[in-house]
Amino acid sequence: DVKVTQSSRYLVKRTGEKVFLECVQDMDHENMFWYRQDPGLGLRLIYFSYDVKMKEKGDIPEGYSVSREKKERFSLILESASTNQTSMYLCASSLPLAGGRETQYFGPGTRLLVL
Amino acid sequence: AQTVTQSQPEMSVQEAETVTLSCTYDTSENNYYLFWYKQPPSRQMILVIRQEAYKQQNATENRFSVNFQKAAKSFSLKISDSQLGDTAMYFCAFMNPTYNQGGKLIFGQGTELSVKP
Repeated sequence: DVKVTQSSRYLVKRTGEKVFLECVQDMDHENMFWYRQDPGLGLRLIYFSYDVKMKEKGDIPEGYSVSREKKERFSLILESASTNQTSMYLCASSLPLAGGRETQYFGPGTRLLVL
Repeated sequence: AQTVTQSQPEMSVQEAETVTLSCTYDTSENNYYLFWYKQPPSRQMILVIRQEAYKQQNATENRFSVNFQKAAKSFSLKISDSQLGDTAMYFCAFMNPTYNQGGKLIFGQGTELSVKP
């Protein structure tokens, strides 16, 4: 079974703090994704990576950065946390299969509260 | 830009009944893929069913089936014989695959389904 783990289930931070969210997958997937999930907005893509050291902006990258130094690990960084970044953060990974056979596997999520 | 709309924020159904969740999308692409994902309370999101746009036949997975209307850009999910374990948030998602860069998913707003005993 594919396993995607995230470093914390719940996190409380103060405005202005630097925040690191870690995601690790154990299935040698090339693709990794970071989403944020907000009520009424669904999931929105922040950043994704299709290879080590490669990254692409998603739909809402402002205020975030990412790092992928190893294939299995994809980190999301909030350089200076703000209250509007309070949200649920979901990590996902996938193999880049053609023909729509690609399936994203999700982690359990990190619920971040910025005070 | 592609968009996905789920117009039903919440739905409920009695156990053993059938329920249909709606999803519409907007795209100018001809080749794409559609998905329904399920997020149970406090549990990880999992794929329920997928549909290739070039296939006219509707996808089915046990009690889950879709009604794919390409011209109308509609992709609804039917759950038959609803079970308590079907209680979850359901997300409709669209993928326009790009080789070498992975298929990015665009999600709808979600429908929270409650199955009542």
